[in-house]
Amino acid sequence: DGGITQSPKYLFRKEGQNVTLSCEQNLNHDAMYWYRQDPGQGLRLIYYSQIVNDFQKGDIAEGYSVSREKKESFPLTVTSAQKNPTAFYLCASRRRGGGGASSNEQFFGPGTRLTVL
Amino acid sequence: AQSVTQPDIHITVSEGASLELRCNYSYGATPYLFWYVQSPGQGLQLLLKYFSGDTLVQGIKGFEAEFKRSQSSFNLRKPSVHWSDAAEYFCAVGAGGSQGNLIFGKGTKLSVKP
Repeated sequence: DGGITQSPKYLFRKEGQNVTLSCEQNLNHDAMYWYRQDPGQGLRLIYYSQIVNDFQKGDIAEGYSVSREKKESFPLTVTSAQKNPTAFYLCASRRRGGGGASSNEQFFGPGTRLTVL
Repeated sequence: AQSVTQPDIHITVSEGASLELRCNYSYGATPYLFWYVQSPGQGLQLLLKYFSGDTLVQGIKGFEAEFKRSQSSFNLRKPSVHWSDAAEYFCAVGAGGSQGNLIFGKGTKLSVKP
């Protein structure tokens, strides 16, 4: 079955450490997204990528970095510069091209919960 | 700038009762509109979407939503709620442009009383 996988499901980080969250999709989607979710805040966009080897900052990119070396993979690194990284992180992907709501529909992974100790 | 407002943070309904979750958006043109559902600790699942055409949209799990341009609303409805519908619901609007980004509301948490 096609879908999006995120690993690990739970991640614990010590102060000052960088950690990397994995996101893989086998939907053959061109675009991928990372969101941060905090209680009562909805989803906030961290980074997005429309094609391989290209990505753009979202609304809250500070303290995060990404890479897009393969179409299937879009890992997110939470750096020590992110002062409050404890949150639920969601990865999504989207089929580009065509028109209408279907081309804007995003498919989501199951999420990674990051906790800073 | 585009925005989405979900006025209700938390709603409680009895099982079998009807449900309406409100969503208002701000967008200059005809928007792409979506409703997603999230169970605790899980990702988001698409319930339904609207782009054009019939303003009453049918989705999965018995949900429907109605697009009202004059009210800038896209409210989600279900005639009879089941206990398994307890979850958080997010309304989203397509931000336009080729990026395909979505702007999400802050969500409405639905609790279902037996």
